[in-house]
This record gives sequence, structure tokens and C-alpha cells, in this order.
Amino acid sequence: DAGVTQSPTHLIKTRGQQVTLRCSPKSGHDTVSWYQQALGQGPQFIFQYYEEEERQRGNFPDRFSGHQFPNYSSELNVNALLLGDSALYLCASSLGRINQPQHFGDGTRLSIL
Amino acid sequence: SQKIEQNSEALNIQEGKTATLTCNYTNYSPAYLQWYRQDPGRGPVFLLLIRENEKEKRKERLKVTFDTTLKQSLFHITASQPADSATYLCALDMFGNRDDKIIFGKGTRLHILP
Repeated sequence: DAGVTQSPTHLIKTRGQQVTLRCSPKSGHDTVSWYQQALGQGPQFIFQYYEEEERQRGNFPDRFSGHQFPNYSSELNVNALLLGDSALYLCASSLGRINQPQHFGDGTRLSIL
Repeated sequence: SQKIEQNSEALNIQEGKTATLTCNYTNYSPAYLQWYRQDPGRGPVFLLLIRENEKEKRKERLKVTFDTTLKQSLFHITASQPADSATYLCALDMFGNRDDKIIFGKGTRLHILP
């Protein structure tokens, strides 16, 4: 039973560029959440997708956007990259939107030069 | 808005002893509180979930308590082993409340010394 898979594992971009990160949820899960984790910090909630719609959003600017596909997989897009966007981006899936354990992938390490 | 504080950044415990990690929060209590383990270079792994009306939850060598009066959760690992060395994250499940998201603490790095 495949868990949450994310691609790519590492990515290097320069300031001002755009990036797309991908996530396949655990089999049977219908909800995908995205988190940003800076070094030495806990994951910070970016947003959650359920039924192909953004349901909740954390304190992130509009440069961060996402999408969920009919097969429940998801993408995170970040535009106009800043140096401060360098972080580990984690995808988590769950069965249902609220009050559920989060199953995380191992993340995409994004470095901005 | 809600804030979480996990005790020390790092905790050293002798093998075989009980490790106790603390998670304190401000403001209103979440309906659910979760604990995760994170190893270097990996995503967090879910360990335990406790509801606000549950005082204690156990799973093998792990025990979690939740005190809404003190606004605190304690996470215990009994008979600790070097393999328990990792960062442990506390998470408040605020979905359905004002914050309407999961809020993670910074984590506590636990080192079990052989």
C-alpha cells in the first residue's frame, strides 16, 4: 500500500521563477494538505484541498496556489519565488477534512538562489 | 491567535528511562491534539491523537495526556531506546475553530543515550 509520494525530492530555483510541486495521496485518502517547514521549525499549514477545492488556508500570500485533481492528487504552485521560500515542502493526506491523522510524504526540498 | 510551545529544544535521556515531552498552548483548547515523530530528512509520522474529553491515551510504550485546564499535553516514552531518538512534534487540530487549521509546535529533539 503506497504511502504519500512527492516529486521532485529536490529542486533549485532562482528568485522570481515559478515552481510546481506534486503529491499523490495515500490510497483511499481524499484530502490533501500542504505545509512549509523551515529548518529547525515545525511544519506551517499552507492550505488544504478537498473535493478539488481549497477549503482552508494558512497565512500565506496569493503567490502560493494549488490544485487537486479528480484522482485526489495535488499540486502546489509558487510564483515569483523569494529567497525566504527556501524550505521543505510537505504534503499530507487524510481521510476526511478535519480531526484526522495526517500522513506525510518525505517532502520536496526547495532551494532558492 | 493560537500559539504552541514545546519544552526544551533538545532533551537527553538515558536509555531505559522515561522521556517526558511537554506541549503548552495559549488561548482556547483544540478538540484534538496530535503527536508526530520526525526523523532527519523525512516527513513527520503520526503517533497518537487525543480528544479534549480524554485524559490519557496509550499505545505500546507511548502515553499522551491532555489537560485542558492547564492547556498542556505531556508525551511519555517509557523504557526509552536509542531508536526513539528523533524530533517529536505536537500539533493542535484547530479545524472547526477560529484558526481552522492544524498548528504545529517547533518540536523537541530527543536524544536517547546508550
